[in-house]
Amino acid sequence: DIQMTQSPHSLSASLGETVSIECLASEGISNYLAWYQQKPGKSPQLLIYYASSLQDGVPSRFSGSGSGTQYSLKISNMQPEDEGVYYCQQGYKYPYTFGAGTKLELK
Amino acid sequence: EIQLQESGPGLVKPSQSLSLTCSVTGYTITSGYDWSWIRKFPGNKMEWMGYISNSGSTNYNPSLKIRISINRDTSKNQFFLQLNSVTTEDTATYYCARCKINWEYFDYWGQGVMVTVSS
Repeated sequence: DIQMTQSPHSLSASLGETVSIECLASEGISNYLAWYQQKPGKSPQLLIYYASSLQDGVPSRFSGSGSGTQYSLKISNMQPEDEGVYYCQQGYKYPYTFGAGTKLELK
Repeated sequence: EIQLQESGPGLVKPSQSLSLTCSVTGYTITSGYDWSWIRKFPGNKMEWMGYISNSGSTNYNPSLKIRISINRDTSKNQFFLQLNSVTTEDTATYYCARCKINWEYFDYWGQGVMVTVSS
């Protein structure tokens, strides 16, 4: 299975700050990388697919980048509604696998 | 509007089978996309369990292959999860989700159902 190593495990950010979350795949995944946000009691919501494509309806302060084995999610201008747990997911090989999650809190 | 809704028992005894239903509205499950089951364990770990395709073929996570079955009822626009011989390790929140073919991401999710395995 492809292992997805996500970092950091948690972080806190001030209003308006820019934060980044990293995801490292154990082998190349050819940009088949998605990012999700999950809020307490809710289901995950797709933010980014194919490493850098923004899902319809997602604010443009979310952006994704990367290639090969290294990918990142950037959240610019941190807002209160951005609190939650963020996951990366690879769709390059079965079984699809997820990162362990990053908990983002407002400082 | 596309919606997915899981249903099923919230408590299952060890060694028994876990059975869940995902009811889909706003999109026909035979039209396209793969239809997956994903679970989230206490502590946030997420696991993709498997899918049934729009044509009815299945693909399972090898870690579950001998215990899992995914089927569908196209007349009701539903698909189903059966997980046999459950243990306390199967306690999790179970989600059904739609997977974009060839892009392999999950764009619509159900709200999730918490299943506890306990005697």
